[in-house]
Amino acid sequence: DAKTTQPPSMDCAEGRAANLPCNHSTISGNEYVYWYRQIHSQGPQYIIHGLKNNETNEMASLIITEDRKSSTLILPHATLRDTAVYYCIVLENNNDMRFGAGTRLTVKP
Amino acid sequence: EPEVTQTPSHQVTQMGQEVILRCVPISNHLYFYWYRQILGQKVEFLVSFYNNEISEKSEIFDDQFSVERPDGSNFTLKIRSTKLEDSAMYFCASSELGRQGPNNEQFFGPGTRLTVL
Repeated sequence: DAKTTQPPSMDCAEGRAANLPCNHSTISGNEYVYWYRQIHSQGPQYIIHGLKNNETNEMASLIITEDRKSSTLILPHATLRDTAVYYCIVLENNNDMRFGAGTRLTVKP
Repeated sequence: EPEVTQTPSHQVTQMGQEVILRCVPISNHLYFYWYRQILGQKVEFLVSFYNNEISEKSEIFDDQFSVERPDGSNFTLKIRSTKLEDSAMYFCASSELGRQGPNNEQFFGPGTRLTVL
């Protein structure tokens, strides 16, 4: 089962930042936090991952709290094409991802 | 940009028939995976594969499922005798590395929609 908790849905206005929270209070010291998204029925798309430092790439930023029990994915300027289900995943010892229900983000014009 | 490809995009079969779903992972990747997603439900891990053998498998991946890397490019999922409940989207994924850390992110294909009648 997934080791993370996410709100089932969120809305965001187009052009604004989308901040998607994730709780992972049972995370272990060597476990990474991964974020993927799934647009409609397409294959999941990798966004970003991190261990304890904040990370940024061309798609998003990942902010991990100091105690590592929660994180936030930030899409700095959401567009309509960012409407998707966003999954926060904590990998266990191997690389086999266990998806939860995710957060359905709806970007509105 | 390299991508994972899957064929066919949609497969319709009769219950009890065998199906083979095909995937071409990204060329320099060494770890391969299959996932499935029943309509309206979450993505479920089936199996991971490395060095020509199964690394991990879930409880879903029972004896009717098998995986194979028949040549240097393809990675296949075989369902021996399909059941109605096997109807789902099947996603293949690959990664360069298999442990946590950099370069182990998984890249997914577009999926094969399997419909069992």
